Amino acid sequence: EPEVTQTPSHQVTQMGQEVILRCVPISNHLYFYWYRQILGQKVEFLVSFYNNEISEKSEIFDDQFSVERPDGSNFTLKIRSTKLEDSAMYFCASHSDHQPQHFGDGTRLSIL
Amino acid sequence: GESVGLHLPTLSVQEGDNSIINCAYSNSASDYFIWYKQESGKGPQFIIDIRSNMDKRQGQRVTVLLNKTVKHLSLQIAATQPGDSAVYFCAEQPSGGTSYGKLTFGQGTILTVHP
Repeated sequence: EPEVTQTPSHQVTQMGQEVILRCVPISNHLYFYWYRQILGQKVEFLVSFYNNEISEKSEIFDDQFSVERPDGSNFTLKIRSTKLEDSAMYFCASHSDHQPQHFGDGTRLSIL
Repeated sequence: GESVGLHLPTLSVQEGDNSIINCAYSNSASDYFIWYKQESGKGPQFIIDIRSNMDKRQGQRVTVLLNKTVKHLSLQIAATQPGDSAVYFCAEQPSGGTSYGKLTFGQGTILTVHP
């Protein structure tokens, strides 16, 4: 069964550094998302992406965040200058029209 | 505002019992609801979904019930097995527009199944 894959599984970064989280969505999917989950809390929406542009973003997704689909297979989340409070699990998800979202296993981001 | 919440944060059952996990939602504009299972160290895994034009949907050992009058969603797991132990999240999605696909998750219920 096709899967959403995310790399790396764990990223440790110094505060203030840039980080790029990578995702390969399921190949025929058209809608792409990033969510985050702070330890012990619920999953929170960050951003949705369709037709090569952002559809919607949450308040969390400020100017330090950006997303990109650089080619036909990858979908990336960049945080330009990381803060301690960016430490969380980051999940990528994708789906096709009128189908449920499928999630990757996430990247654990630890900011020191 | 939008919110999706769960009545019971933990549920402990014996193997073979039936489990019921509940969820309340507040956004009446939502028309699509999904249950996800999350095991330790993994991402949310799709279990079952339901659209607002239905009140019940069955899968393999799982049933989702939707009561739009009281904005309540439940997940029933029949003959619960130790492998069902996980955190279960309900999620809701609005009907369309720019928020299409944006999932709002509940807090989660920890299900523990004892052999």
